[in-house]
Amino acid sequence: QVQLQESGPGLVKPSETLSLTCTVSGGSISGYYWKWVRLPAGKGLEWIGRIHSSGSTNYNPSLKSRLTLSVDTSKNQLSLKLDSVTAADTAVYYCARGEHTMDVWGQGTTVTVSS
Amino acid sequence: DVVMTQSPLSLPVTLGQPASISCRSSQGLVYDDGNTYLNWFQQRPGQSPRRLIYKVSNRDSGVPDRFSGSGSGTDFTLKISRVEAEDVGVYYCMQGTHWPRTFGQGTKVEIK
Repeated sequence: QVQLQESGPGLVKPSETLSLTCTVSGGSISGYYWKWVRLPAGKGLEWIGRIHSSGSTNYNPSLKSRLTLSVDTSKNQLSLKLDSVTAADTAVYYCARGEHTMDVWGQGTTVTVSS
Repeated sequence: DVVMTQSPLSLPVTLGQPASISCRSSQGLVYDDGNTYLNWFQQRPGQSPRRLIYKVSNRDSGVPDRFSGSGSGTDFTLKISRVEAEDVGVYYCMQGTHWPRTFGQGTKVEIK
């Protein structure tokens, strides 16, 4: 079955760029929508954005000016880049599959923004 | 943005007893294709979220039948007929109809 695995640096300095990768295994990335969601400590889930395998994107307006999502179908990977991070971006970041829903989730990767 | 309001935010329950979580949306959730994209997710401690219910009332494969979803318009409910120890965690509703997608605040289910 399809499995998702997020990866990236666990610690990012304030004002720098957070870069994460989600590797899809057990199935193709093509033909699907893929989402990024985060869970800040002590808070609820926040929808970050979505990307289709074709490259079309939709971003949360609250993050749009700092966010870039991309897809590499040859590697079956998704990428997230978030610029100018602050402590408020500290969270567990998840990738998931789905257009109007999320039926498969990754295990999540913890990102801490701190100097 | 569509605001999803869950209640209660904390739900202590006795093992074997029923539990119910409400989710209200600030706008109707019927999409252009006629479907209502209201989802329920469970997040157990230390785990990633898992989808339980999609399109209001469709249970995912492997989800026990003690979980059920219902509702329409702007008012939706997740019910657990008899709570078991493995049901402890945080439950979220999420609308997949409008941009951006939005989640409820989460309801923490714990055993009394």
